[in-house]
Order: sequence, then structure tokens, then C-alpha cells
Amino acid sequence: DGGITQSPKYLFRKEGQNVTLSCEQNLNHDAMYWYRQDPGQGLRLIYYSQIVNDFQKGDIAEGYSVSREKKESFPLTVTSAQKNPTAFYLCASSWTGGLKTQYFGPGTRLLVL
Amino acid sequence: AQKITQTQPGMFVQEKEAVTLDCTYDTSDQSYGLFWYKQPSSGEMIFLIYQGSYDEQNATEGRYSLNFQKARKSANLVISASQLGDSAMYFCLSGGSNYKLTFGKGTLLTVNP
Repeated sequence: DGGITQSPKYLFRKEGQNVTLSCEQNLNHDAMYWYRQDPGQGLRLIYYSQIVNDFQKGDIAEGYSVSREKKESFPLTVTSAQKNPTAFYLCASSWTGGLKTQYFGPGTRLLVL
Repeated sequence: AQKITQTQPGMFVQEKEAVTLDCTYDTSDQSYGLFWYKQPSSGEMIFLIYQGSYDEQNATEGRYSLNFQKARKSANLVISASQLGDSAMYFCLSGGSNYKLTFGKGTLLTVNP
């Protein structure tokens, strides 16, 4: 089955630690996205990538980093510079060429110890 | 810039009845699209329906229909014959010429048996 997988489902971060969230898709989509969701809120865009080896900052990129070495994979690193990382993180993918429907993974919940 | 307003923080409906979730939007783009997603308690964002700004017919997908009134800048979601599994958070989104989506704050729908 085609889809998007995210791992882990839950992640715990200690103070000063970098953690990496995994996102993999087998939909053959060119574009991939990372969003953050805080309780009772909509989603906010962290980073997006329209093609391998290229990515752009979204609205809240500070304290986060990404890479796009493979079409299928778009990992997100939450660095120690992100002072309030506790949130629900969702990865999505879509076709490119104008406005396209984005399909989401199941999400990773990040908690700070 | 785009803005989405969902004025109903919560809605209740009886099983098998229809319900309308409100969404108004503001955009400076001539060409844009409107989406509705469902987010159950598990957290995954599930795509429901899409309406393009130049589509003359209202979009329908099974029990979901989008009541698109361009002059009023509204894109309400209608769910017919509600089911218990429809209980979830519902988000209205808009997108323009770039890849960025703007999210509303969501409406929590509860279907009562």
C-alpha cells in the first residue's frame, strides 16, 4: 500500500539534545512538508521541499533543520535551539506543479523530559 | 496572504442527521483552492474534499459536499447522514499559487448516538 510513515510515534527529548523525526513516503511524490501542531491549533509549516537536495523554510523554521537526500525521505531534526519543542509533528507529501492535495502521515508526538 | 476563519469551535449532531461546518476565507490570489481535512483523535490528517476557485460545480465526495459561495468567500462542509465515526476535528484550508496551505483553527464535531 502506498502511504507515508513517520517514526517514532512518541519521542522524548532531554534538555540540550537534538532529536530526529523520520518521514518516508512511497507515493512517488516530489514535494514533502513538515508541520507542527500545538494543542487546539491548526498546523504551522516548518520546512518544505519540492525536489531532492532542495528545501525552503516555512513559517516557523527556527530551531529545526531538514535534509532531502532521497525522494522518499525527509527527516526533521529538532535542535537544542528550539526552546519549546513539545508538540505534534506531521509530515506530508504531494505532487508538484501548482496547488496539490497534501497527504499526511500519522504524526510523531514529541515530549520534553 | 490568506486567512481562514472557522467560527464554530464545537458542533454536536445526532447520528444520521446532516451537519454543516462553516468556513470563510480571505485571499488576494485570483486562483486558489479550498480543502477540508478530518483529524480524528489518533492525530492523522485525512483529506476529505477539494474545491478549486474556478470550479463552477460544488465538490462532492460520498457523504461530503462543499457549499462554495465565491462572492461570500465561504466554503462550508456539509456531512450528510452523520456516523459515529465522523466525530473528529475538522479543518478548513486554503492554498494559492505557491505550495503553502493556510489552516483554520478547526471545528470539533461530536456525533451523538
